[in-house]
Amino acid sequence: DAGVIQSPRHEVTEMGQEVTLRCKPISGHNSLFWYRQTMMRGLELLIYFNNNVPIDDSGMPEDRFSAKMPNASFSTLKIQPSEPRDSAVYFCASGPSSGGRSGNRELFFGEGSRLTVL
Amino acid sequence: GNSVTQMEGPVTLSEEAFLTINCTYTATGYPSLFWYVQYPGEGLQLLLKATKADDKGSNKGFEATYRKETTSFHLEKGSVQVSDSAVYFCALSTGGSNYKLTFGKGTLLTVNP
Repeated sequence: DAGVIQSPRHEVTEMGQEVTLRCKPISGHNSLFWYRQTMMRGLELLIYFNNNVPIDDSGMPEDRFSAKMPNASFSTLKIQPSEPRDSAVYFCASGPSSGGRSGNRELFFGEGSRLTVL
Repeated sequence: GNSVTQMEGPVTLSEEAFLTINCTYTATGYPSLFWYVQYPGEGLQLLLKATKADDKGSNKGFEATYRKETTSFHLEKGSVQVSDSAVYFCALSTGGSNYKLTFGKGTLLTVNP
């Protein structure tokens, strides 16, 4: 299995530009998560989906951020317009479906997309 | 709400030293507890987990015991190696049919030869 695949690995853009980050979860996993990692705040959960449906987006910073999961094998996180404070590493993670206690389920992370907004 | 507090880093040790990284939590209900590790330039990967009180998770020489009375899940290793240098995250999940992990801020460990 190829694991969770994220693209791009690195993105440098200018303030005001639109940024789209992409994620392909592990086949068969029904839960997908977007996290943001910064030195100041650590790992923050932005949004998570179960069976392609957004379950909790309370971590999305503001209206400039949006996420979609049009099918079980693809998700995007979009920032429009981007700002320098959005600079961070964005991780996508997937996990197996619900059923059984959560402790029996593990999250699998991609290698992250490092975003720099100048 | 749920929260995880782990010791601030960075932690620097010599090879073969004993490691402890403290982790305490606040949660509603009965959480499952996890330690994830992030090697340089990589995503997080599960190191070990415990799903109920007094359970001990272990992997690669690392251990952590779920202590409900002290709401703790401290990570230990008897003899660290240079290859253990990484960032370690404590996390919890309170489950349900839809679940999410709450992470601590991470502790950077550097092991010198």
